Amino acid sequence: AQSVTQLDSQVPVFEEAPVELRCNYSSSVSVYLFWYVQYPNQGLQLLLKYLSGSTLVKGINGFEAEFNKSQTSFHLRKPSVHISDTAEYFCAVSESRGYNQGGKLIFGQGTELSVKP
Amino acid sequence: SQTIHQWPATLVQPVGSPLSLECTVEGTSNPNLYWYRQAAGRGLQLLFYSVGIGQISSEVPQNLSASRPQDRQFILSSKKLLLSDSGFYLCAWTIPGDGQYFGPGTRLTVT
Repeated sequence: AQSVTQLDSQVPVFEEAPVELRCNYSSSVSVYLFWYVQYPNQGLQLLLKYLSGSTLVKGINGFEAEFNKSQTSFHLRKPSVHISDTAEYFCAVSESRGYNQGGKLIFGQGTELSVKP
Repeated sequence: SQTIHQWPATLVQPVGSPLSLECTVEGTSNPNLYWYRQAAGRGLQLLFYSVGIGQISSEVPQNLSASRPQDRQFILSSKKLLLSDSGFYLCAWTIPGDGQYFGPGTRLTVT
């Protein structure tokens, strides 16, 4: 079974500062990893995904994440945040060969990013 | 391109009334489909998933049920709503080797 831990429930940061949202996972099998963003009263939007290949993954809105297998981490980073990045961010994991068993995602509890002017 | 629709967007229902939320996906075939609930200030709870027509797996025992009458249609139902059923309901789909893509959600308030 997999589990996901988002190490910070809230991250306040000033506009144009860099940010890192931390995510650690646990799994006994190979995994796919994802970051989602949720704006108030909206569904989740896929920011980026790691399926295979390069461990540095670039996503939308200037975000990137690095898969570190030895540390079982998938931290999300952005070099300079904007007010519009204020939202809830979710890290998620699924088994890489689990589609026929449902392809279920295991989500972290979320990190609330608050960007202040 | 693929799109996912959910309706209604918001719903206010009295305790004990029935519920039907609908989700449809366009632009893909034979997706896996999912229903999640998100309570206020909390993470996502997977309620049901489906790998094909008529195939439903329940993750959490409760008074909700799900059905998949067509390949790209997923319905969440209840015969009698409880106050604890209030929340934000999200439908999602996926295909092999990809992430899940979410609909806009339905805000349900049970009064």
